Amino acid sequence: AQSVTQPDIHITVSEGASLELRCNYSYGATPYLFWYVQSPGQGLQLLLKYFSGDTLVQGIKGFEAEFKRSQSSFNLRKPSVHWSDAAEYFCAVASSGNTGKLIFGQGTTLQVKP
Amino acid sequence: KAGVTQTPRYLIKTRGQQVTLSCSPISGHRSVSWYQQTPGQGLQFLFEYFSETQRNKGNFPGRFSGRQFSNSRSEMNVSTLELGDSALYLCASSSGTGTGPQHFGDGTRLSIL
Repeated sequence: AQSVTQPDIHITVSEGASLELRCNYSYGATPYLFWYVQSPGQGLQLLLKYFSGDTLVQGIKGFEAEFKRSQSSFNLRKPSVHWSDAAEYFCAVASSGNTGKLIFGQGTTLQVKP
Repeated sequence: KAGVTQTPRYLIKTRGQQVTLSCSPISGHRSVSWYQQTPGQGLQFLFEYFSETQRNKGNFPGRFSGRQFSNSRSEMNVSTLELGDSALYLCASSSGTGTGPQHFGDGTRLSIL
């Protein structure tokens, strides 16, 4: 069965510092992978996705993620965090060819210190 | 292009009642998926509809049901509400062709008293 693990429930970084949020997945074949962000009281916004090809994908708001098949990981990174990045971040996996069913990790809450 | 629209945004019900939530997908999207978000269980997949047919189903009891109309709008129904059904219910739409990501609405916050 597919599963997603986000090992860090809560992360605090200083504004301007770099950020890496971890995501590990369990899936038999090559999965489709996503990162979403959720601000309080709102829905999920897609940051980036990986389907195939280049393992380093660029997203919105200066985020990027790297797919590492050997480590079953899809970590999210940002070189310099802004206070507005404070939110909850979710990693998700879908079967290749069917993005209608997403399996989510438990989420990582990012706090940004001034 | 308008995003995914969910109505109502907030709903308060009592145990035993039933409720219907509505979702209008992005224009041109044929797939609509529903998720339940709670602090304890996180985001859990309920079901997906594509071309008026349920294509995927999660592990929820039969009290949770849905349907999709010919214009791709979808409704989700929960019967015999329980306290544990209090949650944020999120709807997402995608092209349905298997290569498009899901785009989410802002959700319906359901509270059961």
